[in-house]
Amino acid sequence: DTGVSQNPRHKITKRGQNVTFRCDPISEHNRLYWYRQTLGQGPEFLTYFQNEAQLEKSRLLSDRFSAERPKGSFSTLEIQRTEQGDSAMYLCASSSGGDQPQHFGDGTRLSIL
Amino acid sequence: TQLLEQSPQFLSIQEGENLTVYCNSSSVFSSLQWYRQEPGEGPVLLVTVVTGGEVKKLKRLTFQFGDARKDSSLHITAAQPGDTGLYLCAGTYNFNKFYFGSGTKLNVKP
Repeated sequence: DTGVSQNPRHKITKRGQNVTFRCDPISEHNRLYWYRQTLGQGPEFLTYFQNEAQLEKSRLLSDRFSAERPKGSFSTLEIQRTEQGDSAMYLCASSSGGDQPQHFGDGTRLSIL
Repeated sequence: TQLLEQSPQFLSIQEGENLTVYCNSSSVFSSLQWYRQEPGEGPVLLVTVVTGGEVKKLKRLTFQFGDARKDSSLHITAAQPGDTGLYLCAGTYNFNKFYFGSGTKLNVKP
């Protein structure tokens, strides 16, 4: 049983660099979510996709953030011109939609030097 | 401002003790979920409650959804070291967007 897979697990980069994370959801899931979690906090919703359509974006997702799910399967989250405040765990989750449960990946931990 | 407030933030107890953690909001949710998260891993869903007043049991864990669907509690009986982790509640209005609380960090000492 392959769950949600996120790569890389850890990313360390200098301020101002661009980074891209990848999420591979459970194959039959049409919903895909991105969250950000900082130390001592719960996950904060960033955006979600229904198949390839991005249906909602949080105000947390500034112009420097962009997410795609081009073929309705894997998704990427790109952060341009990273800032110190972007340091966090970025979590991806997928579901079959409706009231079906979300399954989370183990996240990508981003550290900005 | 958190939509969902969880209390306590931290809880450290001895193995065998009982405990209750709370999740409160001023908003009415159509559904509320409880997750457990271990360090370096994503949250894992424990239960979903949808009906006001609903009680669900999962072995030693008892979950309750308030009558008004604004709050929930998680009670653990005879806690074990394996219960250690971050317990998160998450509410949703329409299953499109989920709002998480800041969590209760539980440590069960052997």
